[in-house]
Amino acid sequence: EAEVAQSPRYKITEKSQAVAFWCDPISGHATLYWYRQILGQGPELLVQFQDESVVDDSQLPKDRFSAERLKGVDSTLKIQPAELGDSAMYLCASSRRSYNSPLHFGNGTRLTVT
Amino acid sequence: TQLLEQSPQFLSIQEGENLTVYCNSSSVFSSLQWYRQEPGEGPVLLVTVVTGGEVKKLKRLTFQFGDARKDSSLHITAAQPGDTGLYLCAGRPMDSNYQLIWGAGTKLIIKP
Repeated sequence: EAEVAQSPRYKITEKSQAVAFWCDPISGHATLYWYRQILGQGPELLVQFQDESVVDDSQLPKDRFSAERLKGVDSTLKIQPAELGDSAMYLCASSRRSYNSPLHFGNGTRLTVT
Repeated sequence: TQLLEQSPQFLSIQEGENLTVYCNSSSVFSSLQWYRQEPGEGPVLLVTVVTGGEVKKLKRLTFQFGDARKDSSLHITAAQPGDTGLYLCAGRPMDSNYQLIWGAGTKLIIKP
């Protein structure tokens, strides 16, 4: 079964450094999501793409976070500069275009900022 | 602000017991999804409920969507250690064509 691929699996960085995460969704999935999840809590949406367009980035801290999905396929999420409070799991998910389609998640990138 | 409140936040029970997890809101949802997440992995879809009053069964798991489509429950019969995980509900609001609202999750531990 096709999976959502994310890399790296783990990332340790010092505060004020730049960090980037990559996501390759399931082929044919038009919608791509980036979520941040604190251990044991529900995921918090950072940005949602429909094809290459941003649908919702209202919760993305735009002073330090950026996201792109240039060709409507894979996506990159960047943090610059990283802060201690950014330590979390960053999850990417994709879904088909239809409204009630389920989300398929990758296994995430565990970020630790020291 | 639309919220989905899950309860309990944490539940630890013995193998073989039954349990129910709740997902409640004051908002109406066109559909609601339940996911299970194991440590170090992404959430995995268990079920989607769409119709008010709908009941779906997945082996020992029974999912119900409230008649008014504002709430949902997950009942597990004869829980097993393999059911351990974080259970998340996520709903599609009626007044949005793209949003998905997430609950904070119920952390479930089944002790052998």
